[in-house]
Amino acid sequence: NAGVTQTPKFRILKIGQSMTLQCTQDMNHNYMYWYRQDPGMGLKLIYYSVGAGITDKGEVPNGYNVSRSTTEDFPLRLELAAPSQTSVYFCASSRQTGANVLTFGAGSRLTVL
Amino acid sequence: GQQVMQIPQYQHVQEGEDFTTYCNSSTTLSNIQWYKQRPGGHPVFLIQLVKSGEVKKQKRLTFQFGEAKKNSSLHITATQTTDVGTYFCGSEYGNKLVFGAGTILRVKS
Repeated sequence: NAGVTQTPKFRILKIGQSMTLQCTQDMNHNYMYWYRQDPGMGLKLIYYSVGAGITDKGEVPNGYNVSRSTTEDFPLRLELAAPSQTSVYFCASSRQTGANVLTFGAGSRLTVL
Repeated sequence: GQQVMQIPQYQHVQEGEDFTTYCNSSTTLSNIQWYKQRPGGHPVFLIQLVKSGEVKKQKRLTFQFGEAKKNSSLHITATQTTDVGTYFCGSEYGNKLVFGAGTILRVKS
């Protein structure tokens, strides 16, 4: 099992550019999450999904979009990159709520200049 | 909104000293989870506490859940350089897992 795989690992964007961070998991987990972590800061929830076709906003959703067309994949889209979106992005998955142990991907470091 | 407050933000200890981080909430928590993130790495699950007053141990790590289920602590006995990293507590709110800000632990050898 690969667990949770994120691509790319690193990316530099110019202001106003768009990009998609990819996340895929091979554990057949229903729940998937996107968090961002700013330097020296905690994890803020951007979006989450409880199953294919269902997504919901977290604490800091502005400037991002997600989709969940399959159980395995949960891409995060940045439409108009801004310097405030410079961060490390972590995708995570879990089997179910109530026993919501998260497995995290290795992270994607994004810099917007 | 849903929040778990974590203190201290940062602690620098001498190797062999003990370390404790605390997680507090104004509301009753359904459970509490603890994760460790090594420098440059990703968070890794350590443990989950569910019951009021629960205490669990993993070698030199002791985890406690308060009687009122509003606070939790992680205590490391005799820190080692391998303990370096950021320790996060997190709790479920509906379908979401919300994290505290984390405590950064540095260990001087």
